Amino acid sequence: EVQLVESGGGLVQPGRSLKLSCAASGFTFSNYYMAWVRQAPKKGLEWVATISTSGSRTYYPDSVKGRFTISRDNAKSSLYLQMNSLKSEDTATYYCARHMYTTDPFDYWGQGVMVTVSS
Amino acid sequence: DIQMTQSPASLSASLGETISIECLASEGISSYLAWYQQKPGKSPQLLIYGANSLQAGVPSRFSGSGSGTQYSLKISSMQPEDEGDYFCQQSYKFWTFGGGTKLELK
Repeated sequence: EVQLVESGGGLVQPGRSLKLSCAASGFTFSNYYMAWVRQAPKKGLEWVATISTSGSRTYYPDSVKGRFTISRDNAKSSLYLQMNSLKSEDTATYYCARHMYTTDPFDYWGQGVMVTVSS
Repeated sequence: DIQMTQSPASLSASLGETISIECLASEGISSYLAWYQQKPGKSPQLLIYGANSLQAGVPSRFSGSGSGTQYSLKISSMQPEDEGDYFCQQSYKFWTFGGGTKLELK
């Protein structure tokens, strides 16, 4: 059974950093692109970052480029999101999700982890 | 960036009613279009990919269609368990989601 389990969320002050983790199991992690998607309270979905199978290619929208870094450890079947210079507008539930290739849909999602940026 | 405009924002349907949700892309996306359902407090679940392919395990009352810039999701007979939020997503150039549609049972 495919499982994606996020961790590392919490309350953080504006300007500080936080690192999220996503533990994958039930599939060959190294065969899949992985992504982070966030959802602000009562809002829609926003793609945040994607990483290729080897980790050599990463993609970000302008809203987080230069502040967030996605990485992976295929030996540990783990995905990470380093979030720096956090802003109040980064407050959201963060989901990790897998997709086979860039044009493929996100076919499995984790349960999500909440990040609250507030003083 | 490709923008996805989803309509309507909310919808109320009776049991057994057929409903449609639309998604308009700001440029052609070659059918790289997926639909997701999200229930309160849960993560999104993939329903349709490639504009019209049904994900395994999804009831056949769900269907997708469209091409170019215009796409739609149809539920042929509304059931109570279909209540929730629905999102479209393009994966042609990076990844963008529509604003969502809240579907309720009347």
